[in-house]
Amino acid sequence: TQLLEQSPQFLSIQEGENLTVYCNSSSVFSSLQWYRQEPGEGPVLLVTVVTGGEVKKLKRLTFQFGDARKDSSLHITAAQPGDTGLYLCAGPLMEYGNKLVFGAGTILRVKS
Amino acid sequence: NAGVTQTPKFRVLKTGQSMTLLCAQDMNHEYMYWYRQDPGMGLRLIHYSVGEGTTAKGEVPDGYNVSRLKKQNFLLGLESAAPSQTSVYFCASSYRLLETQYFGPGTRLLVL
Repeated sequence: TQLLEQSPQFLSIQEGENLTVYCNSSSVFSSLQWYRQEPGEGPVLLVTVVTGGEVKKLKRLTFQFGDARKDSSLHITAAQPGDTGLYLCAGPLMEYGNKLVFGAGTILRVKS
Repeated sequence: NAGVTQTPKFRVLKTGQSMTLLCAQDMNHEYMYWYRQDPGMGLRLIHYSVGEGTTAKGEVPDGYNVSRLKKQNFLLGLESAAPSQTSVYFCASSYRLLETQYFGPGTRLLVL
């Protein structure tokens, strides 16, 4: 059982479309991180959200942390082929000594 | 700076063989981690280290051993490889536990 559930698992869209991916848990997290991983490479941190209700923007990417700090979302506006990749959420779990637990990820493919 | 490097990039083993994966970081980070990534399961922590000479078990430590004799290196060993250890292995490092983790490019291991 994944402590962090990500949905959808796969998403294939056309260039220019908007999309949202979700990261949900029954546990409360002190913070949540979003990573992007390209084929053959390691994950790269995009953002960390630390306050319930927080919204952070990174160009066309908008990240939101739920008020109860149990969920987060990533919204991409006007997706581009360069956004293609695996998007992972992760958070430190207190019961786990504050080490990161990862969701299984959302594979995004943006077609031109 | 090279960041985090991993060797080898790809390896094929027969069941029962042993091997060592090497991770090196040049960022003077205290914390280092070994993860495995399997389809649909995200990244799972195998072992980690909080400093030179220290190691600790993660979520899935069975069948693996680690050593951190030098601050910049973290070795992952498989004493007797099993097909269930077929995976992509990622090393990461961070300055402190809850700070950004920097990942290497991964080692793809196939155990026949």
